[in-house]
Amino acid sequence: EVHLLESGGGLVQPGGSLRLSCAASGFTFNSYAMNWVRQAPGKGLEWVSAISGSGVSTYLADSVKGRFTISRDNSKNTLYMQMNSLRAEDTAVYFCAKGLAWPTGFDYWGRGTLVTVSS
Amino acid sequence: QTVVTQEPSLTVSPGGTVTLTCASSTGAVTSAYYPNWFQQKPGQAPRALIYSTSSKHSWTPARFSGSLLGGKAALTLSGVQPEDEAEYYCLLYYGGANWVFGGGTKLTVL
Repeated sequence: EVHLLESGGGLVQPGGSLRLSCAASGFTFNSYAMNWVRQAPGKGLEWVSAISGSGVSTYLADSVKGRFTISRDNSKNTLYMQMNSLRAEDTAVYFCAKGLAWPTGFDYWGRGTLVTVSS
Repeated sequence: QTVVTQEPSLTVSPGGTVTLTCASSTGAVTSAYYPNWFQQKPGQAPRALIYSTSSKHSWTPARFSGSLLGGKAALTLSGVQPEDEAEYYCLLYYGGANWVFGGGTKLTVL
């Protein structure tokens, strides 16, 4: 059974940093791209970032480019998101989502971790 | 900036049929956009329903189907159940790992 568990969320001041993790199990982790998707309170979904199965290729939405970095450790079956220079508008629940065969879509999602950027 | 548009809200009676659509500001949606559909209930993570326009996941109920309709991606629910009341999001692929979600459709079963 596929399982994704996000962690690392919390309250951070504007301009601060946070690192999110997503622990994966139940599938061959290094064979699939992984994604981060966020949802601001009461709002819709926003794709944030993707990384290839090998970790060689990474992609970021324009809204986070230059501030966020996606990475993965295939030996630990874990996906990461390093978030720097955080802004109030980054406040959201951050979900990790497993990719299907590229670029057909996503299948499994974690429950999410809440990031709140506030002074 | 690319915008993906969905109906903000729809209402359907139990047992009825409803079609949700997903339009792109760049023009007609084709299979090359690999349309995906997700269901989200309050307080829960999204659940994948459809990928690559019309392919179902192993857990997707048979009453859900995906298609292309009039230049848009479409999700049709046939024989709607009360538990189908939820927010539905489409997702389109614009190349180079550029994914864009629609704003969501709130489906009410009444």
